[in-house]
Amino acid sequence: DAGVTQSPTHLIKTRGQQVTLRCSPKSGHDTVSWYQQALGQGPQFIFQYYEEEERQRGNFPDRFSGHQFPNYSSELNVNALLLGDSALYLCASSEGDIRAEAFFGQGTRLTVV
Amino acid sequence: GQNIDQPTEMTATEGAIVQINCTYQTSGFNGLFWYQQHAGEAPTFLSYNVLDGLEEKGRFSSFLSRSKGYSYLLLKELQMKDSASYLCAVRVRGSTLGRLYFGRGTQLTVWP
Repeated sequence: DAGVTQSPTHLIKTRGQQVTLRCSPKSGHDTVSWYQQALGQGPQFIFQYYEEEERQRGNFPDRFSGHQFPNYSSELNVNALLLGDSALYLCASSEGDIRAEAFFGQGTRLTVV
Repeated sequence: GQNIDQPTEMTATEGAIVQINCTYQTSGFNGLFWYQQHAGEAPTFLSYNVLDGLEEKGRFSSFLSRSKGYSYLLLKELQMKDSASYLCAVRVRGSTLGRLYFGRGTQLTVWP
């Protein structure tokens, strides 16, 4: 059983460009959350998708947007990249039960130069 | 807002016991999680507490006191492979499912 998978694993982009990160949740999971983790910090919640809708959003600008597909996979899009967007982007999936633990993917390391 | 606080760094020797504390101030508390994260890797789930008390799972135990906004992760019989960052995360009720608020992580170094 594959866990949460993310692609790509590493990415280098230029300031001002746009990027799309992808996540496939663990089998049987219908909820996907995205987190940004800067070096030496804990993950910060970006947003959460359930039933193809954004259900909750953290304190991130509108440059960060997302989508969830009918198969529960998800994309995170970031427009007009800034140097400060350089971080590890983590996707977490869970089973739609508020008590359920979240499983994390290995992350996408984004570097903006 | 939400505030989760844990020590930045801790060190211990192989075979010893270490306790990593976490204090939190949140509204709509709905559970506390501990994750282990090795450098450059994804966080992996260690434990979950939603009621007061101790949860034991092998060499790892986690304790929660909701009235005090306090939790700890206890690691016994430390091994070199336990060197990692330990993240305390609080789940907060949301519109449908709770989001996680993470502390900054405690970097544990285990010496031989």
